[in-house]
Amino acid sequence: GEEVAQTPKHLVRGEGQKAKLYCAPIKGHSYVFWYQQVLKNEFKFLISFQNENVFDETGMPKERFSAKCLPNSPCSLEIQATKLEDSAVYFCASSPRDVFEQYFGPGTRLTVT
Amino acid sequence: RKEVEQDPGPFNVPEGATVAFNCTYSNSASQSFFWYRQDCRKEPKLLMSVYSSGNEDGRFTAQLNRASQYISLLIRDSKLSDSATYLCVVAGGSYIPTFGRGTSLIVHP
Repeated sequence: GEEVAQTPKHLVRGEGQKAKLYCAPIKGHSYVFWYQQVLKNEFKFLISFQNENVFDETGMPKERFSAKCLPNSPCSLEIQATKLEDSAVYFCASSPRDVFEQYFGPGTRLTVT
Repeated sequence: RKEVEQDPGPFNVPEGATVAFNCTYSNSASQSFFWYRQDCRKEPKLLMSVYSSGNEDGRFTAQLNRASQYISLLIRDSKLSDSATYLCVVAGGSYIPTFGRGTSLIVHP
Protein backbone atom coordinates (compact mmCIF):
# COMPACT_ATOMS: atom_id res chain seq x y z
CA GLY A 1 0.00 0.00 0.00
CA GLU A 2 0.93 3.65 -0.26
CA GLU A 3 0.44 4.38 3.41
CA VAL A 4 1.60 2.78 6.61
CA ALA A 5 -1.36 1.04 8.19
CA GLN A 6 -1.64 0.41 11.92
CA THR A 7 -4.25 -1.55 13.79
CA PRO A 8 -6.05 -1.27 16.05
CA LYS A 9 -6.58 2.48 16.34
CA HIS A 10 -7.32 2.23 20.05
CA LEU A 11 -6.59 -0.55 22.51
CA VAL A 12 -7.61 -0.72 26.15
CA ARG A 13 -6.06 -3.30 28.44
CA GLY A 14 -6.18 -3.94 32.14
CA GLU A 15 -2.86 -4.03 33.96
CA GLY A 16 -1.19 -7.37 33.47
CA GLN A 17 -2.98 -8.15 30.21
CA LYS A 18 -1.25 -8.66 26.89
CA ALA A 19 -1.40 -6.11 24.09
CA LYS A 20 -0.58 -6.73 20.45
CA LEU A 21 -0.24 -3.99 17.86
CA TYR A 22 0.13 -4.39 14.11
CA CYS A 23 1.82 -2.42 11.37
CA ALA A 24 1.79 -2.87 7.60
CA PRO A 25 4.64 -0.85 6.06
CA ILE A 26 4.51 0.80 2.67
CA LYS A 27 5.10 -1.77 -0.05
CA GLY A 28 8.72 -1.80 -1.10
CA HIS A 29 10.02 -0.21 2.10
CA SER A 30 12.73 -2.31 3.68
CA TYR A 31 12.87 -0.66 7.09
CA VAL A 32 10.29 -0.58 9.84
CA PHE A 33 10.56 1.41 13.05
CA TRP A 34 8.49 1.36 16.22
CA TYR A 35 8.22 4.38 18.51
CA GLN A 36 6.42 5.09 21.74
CA GLN A 37 5.06 8.59 22.25
CA VAL A 38 4.03 9.56 25.71
CA LEU A 39 2.77 12.95 26.86
CA LYS A 40 4.55 16.17 25.85
CA ASN A 41 5.73 14.83 22.53
CA GLU A 42 8.51 12.64 23.84
CA PHE A 43 9.20 10.06 21.16
CA LYS A 44 11.07 7.00 22.27
CA PHE A 45 12.65 4.73 19.68
CA LEU A 46 11.90 1.08 20.44
CA ILE A 47 13.13 -1.14 17.65
CA SER A 48 13.84 -1.20 13.93
CA PHE A 49 13.79 -3.94 11.33
CA GLN A 50 15.45 -4.38 8.00
CA ASN A 51 12.99 -6.67 6.26
CA GLU A 52 12.41 -9.47 8.78
CA ASN A 53 15.69 -8.95 10.63
CA VAL A 54 16.09 -6.85 13.74
CA PHE A 55 18.21 -3.85 12.79
CA ASP A 56 18.43 -2.16 16.15
CA GLU A 57 16.62 -3.03 19.37
CA THR A 58 18.47 -0.90 21.87
CA GLY A 59 15.30 0.95 22.82
CA MET A 60 13.24 -2.11 23.66
CA PRO A 61 12.40 -2.99 27.28
CA LYS A 62 13.05 -6.61 26.51
CA GLU A 63 11.53 -8.17 29.59
CA ARG A 64 7.98 -7.42 28.42
CA PHE A 65 8.22 -6.10 24.87
CA SER A 66 8.80 -8.15 21.75
CA ALA A 67 8.43 -7.43 18.05
CA LYS A 68 8.46 -9.31 14.77
CA CYS A 69 8.38 -8.59 11.07
CA LEU A 70 7.70 -11.82 9.21
CA PRO A 71 7.49 -12.14 5.43
CA ASN A 72 4.01 -11.57 3.95
CA SER A 73 2.58 -10.57 7.34
CA PRO A 74 2.10 -7.26 9.13
CA CYS A 75 4.81 -6.43 11.63
CA SER A 76 3.76 -6.74 15.25
CA LEU A 77 4.68 -5.28 18.62
CA GLU A 78 3.59 -7.27 21.65
CA ILE A 79 3.59 -6.19 25.26
CA GLN A 80 3.24 -8.92 27.84
CA ALA A 81 1.81 -8.01 31.23
CA THR A 82 1.09 -4.37 30.47
CA LYS A 83 1.75 -1.71 33.05
CA LEU A 84 0.13 1.67 33.56
CA GLU A 85 3.23 3.42 32.21
CA ASP A 86 2.86 1.59 28.89
CA SER A 87 -0.09 3.88 28.13
CA ALA A 88 1.04 5.83 25.07
CA VAL A 89 0.59 6.15 21.35
CA TYR A 90 2.69 3.61 19.48
CA PHE A 91 3.76 4.72 16.05
CA CYS A 92 5.15 2.56 13.32
CA ALA A 93 7.15 4.08 10.47
CA SER A 94 8.62 2.62 7.32
CA SER A 95 11.46 3.83 5.17
CA PRO A 96 12.90 2.80 1.84
CA ARG A 97 16.40 2.93 3.34
CA ASP A 98 17.66 3.11 6.95
CA VAL A 99 16.58 6.29 8.73
CA PHE A 100 15.92 8.46 5.73
CA GLU A 101 12.46 9.82 5.07
CA GLN A 102 10.38 7.84 7.48
CA TYR A 103 6.67 7.59 6.78
CA PHE A 104 4.56 7.19 9.86
CA GLY A 105 1.35 5.29 10.40
CA PRO A 106 -1.56 6.87 12.28
CA GLY A 107 -0.55 5.19 15.52
CA THR A 108 -2.24 2.91 18.04
CA ARG A 109 -3.36 4.53 21.27
CA LEU A 110 -2.85 2.06 24.10
CA THR A 111 -4.57 2.75 27.38
CA VAL A 112 -3.71 0.54 30.32
CA THR A 113 -6.19 0.77 33.17
CA ARG B 1 22.17 17.39 28.39
CA LYS B 2 19.52 15.96 26.06
CA GLU B 3 20.75 14.65 22.71
CA VAL B 4 18.36 16.84 20.75
CA GLU B 5 16.98 20.02 22.24
CA GLN B 6 14.23 22.31 21.05
CA ASP B 7 12.51 25.30 22.56
CA PRO B 8 9.00 23.96 23.26
CA GLY B 9 7.40 27.37 22.67
CA PRO B 10 4.64 28.02 21.94
CA PHE B 11 5.60 30.52 19.31
CA ASN B 12 2.54 32.69 18.83
CA VAL B 13 2.74 34.68 15.58
CA PRO B 14 0.31 36.57 13.34
CA GLU B 15 -0.45 35.43 9.83
CA GLY B 16 2.17 36.60 7.40
CA ALA B 17 4.96 36.67 9.96
CA THR B 18 8.34 35.01 9.56
CA VAL B 19 9.29 32.61 12.32
CA ALA B 20 12.42 30.56 12.94
CA PHE B 21 13.11 27.56 15.14
CA ASN B 22 16.43 26.11 16.15
CA CYS B 23 17.32 22.64 17.25
CA THR B 24 20.63 21.76 18.88
CA TYR B 25 22.17 18.29 18.93
CA SER B 26 24.93 16.92 21.09
CA ASN B 27 26.35 14.08 18.99
CA SER B 28 28.96 15.51 16.65
CA ALA B 29 28.86 12.26 14.65
CA SER B 30 25.25 12.89 13.64
CA GLN B 31 24.77 12.51 9.93
CA SER B 32 21.12 12.92 9.05
CA PHE B 33 18.78 15.72 9.99
CA PHE B 34 15.09 16.20 9.43
CA TRP B 35 12.17 18.41 10.31
CA TYR B 36 8.82 16.74 10.83
CA ARG B 37 5.47 18.32 11.46
CA GLN B 38 2.95 16.83 13.85
CA ASP B 39 -0.63 18.02 14.05
CA CYS B 40 -2.70 17.57 17.17
CA ARG B 41 -1.43 14.12 18.26
CA LYS B 42 -1.59 12.74 14.74
CA GLU B 43 1.35 11.03 13.10
CA PRO B 44 4.45 13.05 12.25
CA LYS B 45 4.86 13.92 8.60
CA LEU B 46 8.21 14.63 7.02
CA LEU B 47 8.53 18.31 6.24
CA MET B 48 12.11 18.54 5.06
CA SER B 49 15.40 16.74 5.13
CA VAL B 50 18.21 19.11 6.03
CA TYR B 51 21.27 19.12 3.84
CA SER B 52 24.68 20.60 4.54
CA SER B 53 24.19 23.24 1.88
CA GLY B 54 20.78 24.22 3.23
CA ASN B 55 17.57 23.71 1.35
CA GLU B 56 14.40 25.55 0.56
CA ASP B 57 10.91 24.35 -0.24
CA GLY B 58 8.49 27.14 -0.93
CA ARG B 59 8.07 29.15 2.26
CA PHE B 60 10.26 26.80 4.27
CA THR B 61 14.04 26.97 4.55
CA ALA B 62 16.17 24.53 6.51
CA GLN B 63 19.80 25.03 7.41
CA LEU B 64 22.49 23.00 9.12
CA ASN B 65 25.34 24.44 11.13
CA ARG B 66 27.73 21.60 11.91
CA ALA B 67 30.26 23.78 13.71
CA SER B 68 27.69 24.91 16.26
CA GLN B 69 25.69 21.68 16.04
CA TYR B 70 22.27 23.03 15.27
CA ILE B 71 19.68 22.98 12.55
CA SER B 72 17.13 25.63 11.86
CA LEU B 73 13.77 25.94 10.19
CA LEU B 74 12.53 29.25 8.82
CA ILE B 75 8.91 29.72 7.83
CA ARG B 76 8.06 32.80 5.79
CA ASP B 77 4.60 34.29 5.31
CA SER B 78 3.05 32.09 8.02
CA LYS B 79 -0.39 30.64 7.34
CA LEU B 80 -3.01 29.55 9.84
CA SER B 81 -2.47 26.01 8.57
CA ASP B 82 1.17 26.12 9.66
CA SER B 83 -0.02 25.81 13.28
CA ALA B 84 1.45 22.53 14.47
CA THR B 85 4.32 21.06 16.45
CA TYR B 86 7.62 20.94 14.58
CA LEU B 87 9.86 18.04 15.48
CA CYS B 88 13.59 17.98 14.92
CA VAL B 89 15.01 14.52 14.22
CA VAL B 90 18.69 13.69 14.23
CA ALA B 91 20.31 10.40 13.33
CA GLY B 92 23.92 9.50 14.00
CA GLY B 93 26.18 6.74 12.93
CA SER B 94 24.15 4.19 14.86
CA TYR B 95 21.09 5.03 12.74
CA ILE B 96 18.92 5.42 15.80
CA PRO B 97 16.81 8.50 15.13
CA THR B 98 16.48 10.84 18.08
CA PHE B 99 13.52 13.16 18.30
CA GLY B 100 13.42 16.53 19.91
CA ARG B 101 10.41 17.29 22.08
CA GLY B 102 9.03 19.60 19.42
CA THR B 103 8.33 23.30 19.08
CA SER B 104 4.72 24.40 19.10
CA LEU B 105 3.71 27.05 16.58
CA ILE B 106 0.42 28.90 16.75
CA VAL B 107 -0.40 31.22 13.87
CA HIS B 108 -3.30 33.55 14.63
CA PRO B 109 -5.36 35.79 12.35
